[in-house]
Amino acid sequence: AQSVTQPDIHITVSEGASLELRCNYSYGATPYLFWYVQSPGQGLQLLLKYFSGDTLVQGIKGFEAEFKRSQSSFNLRKPSVHWSDAAEYFCAVGPTGGFKTIFGAGTRLFVKA
Amino acid sequence: DGGITQSPKYLFRKEGQNVTLSCEQNLNHDAMYWYRQDPGQGLRLIYYSQIVNDFQKGDIAEGYSVSREKKESFPLTVTSAQKNPTAFYLCASSPGTESFGYTFGSGTRLTVV
Repeated sequence: AQSVTQPDIHITVSEGASLELRCNYSYGATPYLFWYVQSPGQGLQLLLKYFSGDTLVQGIKGFEAEFKRSQSSFNLRKPSVHWSDAAEYFCAVGPTGGFKTIFGAGTRLFVKA
Repeated sequence: DGGITQSPKYLFRKEGQNVTLSCEQNLNHDAMYWYRQDPGQGLRLIYYSQIVNDFQKGDIAEGYSVSREKKESFPLTVTSAQKNPTAFYLCASSPGTESFGYTFGSGTRLTVV
């Protein structure tokens, strides 16, 4: 069965420190992979997506993610976190040609001064 | 600017009442979706529609109904049959398949009183 696991419910990092949010997926073929960000009380915004090709993808707001097929992972990274990055982050997997994207449970990021 | 408009932002319903959540998009997207978000559970798909006058049940369709009479509009009705309707509801759209990722509205918070 298709699934997405975000092992960390919440993470706290210091402003200026690097960030890595983990995402593991289970899918029978190469899926579409996405990261979204959600501020409190708001909708989700697409940060980046991976379909094929270069396994390191760049997104908005200085985020990047690396697809590792051997580990079934798609971790999100940022070299230096800003206080405005505090939000909830969702990893998602979408089937090629399908219409049912599956979302992980989310990781809430706290940024301390 | 193109986007998705959800209204109202907050909605209160008495037990036993039906209530309709509005979702309008001006992105010319073919596909539209309704998700329910509960704390710690990520997003769960209620209904989706690929084209006008057609829609499919998602994973938690019981107690909900939708219509897609116009490309721009995909309203969700929460019926009295939904046993636990208090949640945050998100509407999304995509161009035609999920490969582009979703554009989300800002959500409607429904509370049953």
